[in-house]
Amino acid sequence: AQSVSQHNHHVILSEAASLELGCNYSYGGTVNLFWYVQYPGQHLQLLLKYFSGDPLVKGIKGFEAEFIKSKFSFNLRKPSVQWSDTAEYFCAVKGGSGSARQLTFGSGTQLTVLP
Amino acid sequence: EAGVTQSPTHLIKTRGQQATLRCSPISGHTSVYWYQQALGLGLQFLLWYDEGEERNRGNFPPRFSGRQFPNYSSELNVNALELEDSALYLCASSPLQGRSNQPQHFGDGTRLSIL
Repeated sequence: AQSVSQHNHHVILSEAASLELGCNYSYGGTVNLFWYVQYPGQHLQLLLKYFSGDPLVKGIKGFEAEFIKSKFSFNLRKPSVQWSDTAEYFCAVKGGSGSARQLTFGSGTQLTVLP
Repeated sequence: EAGVTQSPTHLIKTRGQQATLRCSPISGHTSVYWYQQALGLGLQFLLWYDEGEERNRGNFPPRFSGRQFPNYSSELNVNALELEDSALYLCASSPLQGRSNQPQHFGDGTRLSIL
């Protein structure tokens, strides 16, 4: 079965610091990869997605992620975080087969940005 | 466009009762997914409906069931409620069957509390 690992459960940064959140998945075939964000009191929102092509994908709010197939990784990065980036971040994977349309989520990383 | 809508926002039940949660997908989306977000367990896939049929289910007991109506809205039913069913239940939708590389859009969730 597909599994997703987010190794950082809680990350605390100061404003303007750089961010990298790790995500590793287990499925060896074709995958679709996603990062979702959940701001306090809000619903899950899509930050960015990777389906194919350029392994460096850019999302909203200055976030980007790099797909490294050999490492089964899809790490999320932002060069300079803001206080408003405080939220919980979820990495998710969808397998390519027809019976695997659902998302498998990582356990989430709570990011706290100090002003 | 209107997003995924879920009702009720909060539902309080006692052990042994039955709960019904509702979801309306984004207009034009035919697939509906249900996820459980329980404290300490992360987001876990429950059920996937498309074109009125159950396409896949996660590792949950049969007392978790649902259906999808002709207008693509969906219900999640949980019978014989147990304390550990207390969680946020999220509904997501995505566009047309066959277009597997489409992201899922999430609703705000229904908070189910079992007393």
